[in-house]
Amino acid sequence: AQSVTQLGSHVSVSEGALVLLRCNYSSSVPPYLFWYVQYPNQGLQLLLKYTSAATLVKGINGFEAEFKKSETSFHLTKPSAHMSDAAEYFCAVSEFGNNFNKFYFGSGTKLNVKP
Amino acid sequence: DTGVSQNPRHKITKRGQNVTFRCDPISEHNRLYWYRQTLGQGPEFLTYFQNEAQLEKSRLLSDRFSAERPKGSFSTLEIQRTEQGDSAMYLCASSLGGSNTEAFFGQGTRLTVV
Repeated sequence: AQSVTQLGSHVSVSEGALVLLRCNYSSSVPPYLFWYVQYPNQGLQLLLKYTSAATLVKGINGFEAEFKKSETSFHLTKPSAHMSDAAEYFCAVSEFGNNFNKFYFGSGTKLNVKP
Repeated sequence: DTGVSQNPRHKITKRGQNVTFRCDPISEHNRLYWYRQTLGQGPEFLTYFQNEAQLEKSRLLSDRFSAERPKGSFSTLEIQRTEQGDSAMYLCASSLGGSNTEAFFGQGTRLTVV
């Protein structure tokens, strides 16, 4: 089975500062990797996904993530934080088997943006 | 709105009661998933449907849980004889076929068992 580790359950940055949310995965096969964002009492919204086409993946709202196979990492970054980025972020890896994708999620990182 | 729809959004029930949640997936999606999310954790896989067939169930899904997807459209998740440990957010997701497709999530049903 796959697994995902998100380092730091809480990250706090100032508005305009760099956002870096860390994700490491374990997978026995080339992975499909995703970042989702969750606002309070809401479902998960896809930010971006890696599917082996390019190691640097650009997503919505100015976020991007870089797949580094040697480090088994898929960290999420944004050059300049906005107040509206305050939310919880989940990294996920999917395992394709039995003709469907089973998603394994990390425990999440809550991003706080200070004015 | 053509996203995944879940009802109700919130449910408070007494321990021992039965509850049922409904999920309406995106219409052209043949795959449907149920996940459970507890406070401070990421979503955990419960079960998966391809069309009307339930193809996989997690060991998290005890005998008190049952899910259906009649006619391959909407799905229901029923919990019988609820326990306080069942309190969680229940998320439904749907996706297209393929090996690298993302799941689209609904807003969830938050269950509180008192």
